[in-house]
Amino acid sequence: QSVLTQPPSVSGAPGQRITISCTGSSSNIGAGYDVHWYQQLPGTAPKLLIFRNTNRPSGVPDRFSGSKSGTSASLAITGLQAEDEADYYCQSYDSSLSSSYVFGTGTKVTVL
Amino acid sequence: QVQLQESGPGLVKTSQTLSLTCTVSGGSINSADYYWSWIRQHPGKGLEWIGYIYYTGSTFYNPSLKSRLTISVDTSKNQFSMKLTSVTAADSALYYCARDQISSPNWFDPWGQGALVTVSS
Repeated sequence: QSVLTQPPSVSGAPGQRITISCTGSSSNIGAGYDVHWYQQLPGTAPKLLIFRNTNRPSGVPDRFSGSKSGTSASLAITGLQAEDEADYYCQSYDSSLSSSYVFGTGTKVTVL
Repeated sequence: QVQLQESGPGLVKTSQTLSLTCTVSGGSINSADYYWSWIRQHPGKGLEWIGYIYYTGSTFYNPSLKSRLTISVDTSKNQFSMKLTSVTAADSALYYCARDQISSPNWFDPWGQGALVTVSS
């Protein structure tokens, strides 16, 4: 059971803007830990998409953006493209009794 | 650029030990800038961080696996490895190795392609 909750699925038409939420608590995102995001295309390993809440690695299109506020974070994809159809995961750290790196539950993005 | 490749048996018997090795190429594991992690993904499910190791041998494990887990590093071979004892079917998963960029918290980049491990009697 992950401590970071994401919607199971989000869909949108090509060109639209979608957002994926990552909801945590006072022991992880709310404690000030940064949030990172990964994209997992079908049959492939996850790939870093956003690091430290808002930063894109080299090569990641600026259609992808991240934000963080309070105990939550969000990933936005603008100008949705067919190639964006994938699973997306947030990641942070939880400092509760069982301190560990934690991933979100994952969100399947479908391009209609 | 740095690449990681997992290797090890694809089938492990119940109650035995799962052993995997990650070979790092294109960069040195002997770096003060990174940790090196294992992460797994159960079929059709999400991601679970297993643990990491530093080039000095310092480790940090997921508390849920700590009692069964050992991660080691061989800097001469540019490899790090994991051993998970007393495995059950619940340990069947796709196992990834990844490089940790030191931060608060670390992020994982790049990842290996993954090694599928099935636990069966």
